[in-house]
Amino acid sequence: AQSVSQHNHHVILSEAASLELGCNYSYGGTVNLFWYVQYPGQHLQLLLKYFSGDPLVKGIKGFEAEFIKSKFSFNLRKPSVQWSDTAEYFCAVPLGAGNMLTFGGGTRLMVKP
Amino acid sequence: NAGVTQTPKFRILKIGQSMTLQCAQDMNHNYMYWYRQDPGMGLKLIYYSVGAGITDKGEVPNGYNVSRSTTEDFPLRLELAAPSQTSVYFCASSTPPDHKAEKLFFGSGTQLSVL
Repeated sequence: AQSVSQHNHHVILSEAASLELGCNYSYGGTVNLFWYVQYPGQHLQLLLKYFSGDPLVKGIKGFEAEFIKSKFSFNLRKPSVQWSDTAEYFCAVPLGAGNMLTFGGGTRLMVKP
Repeated sequence: NAGVTQTPKFRILKIGQSMTLQCAQDMNHNYMYWYRQDPGMGLKLIYYSVGAGITDKGEVPNGYNVSRSTTEDFPLRLELAAPSQTSVYFCASSTPPDHKAEKLFFGSGTQLSVL
């Protein structure tokens, strides 16, 4: 079955540490790829997306993600995290019924000040 | 511009009770969705709609019903609440999935407990 996997369920980092969150999907065709973020007490919002072109995508707040087609991956990165990056991060790919977004299980990031 | 508005924010139900979660958007989006979010499970699609009068099942539709009489509104109905339906429910809307401007706009969520 087509799926989206996020390998890290919980990540704890100190401020200024580098971040990489894994995302893999099982689908061989052309895909659009998304990362959404949910800050504590808030609803989900789009962090960045890949539609086509340059596989290195830059999003808001210094985040970036790289689409590696051969690895079916779309990992999220940030060189230096801040306390305000504490949130839950979801990778999403339109694999579901009607091309609707399928979300990964989420990664809870806690950044210690 | 209100975006996607969900009501109520919190609700406690007894087993077997029914209720409707309301969702409205003012962005003239054709596509609307209902997701449930459970810890460690991500978001699961319950139902979606591609336009007024058209609804389709998502990944976990059992125990729920929806209707889409207008472009703006997409209510989710629980007929016989069960403890397994304890979750956080998110409504969302978007432009068509293949559109390059595609992104989901989410409501603030409804936290539902069934006891």
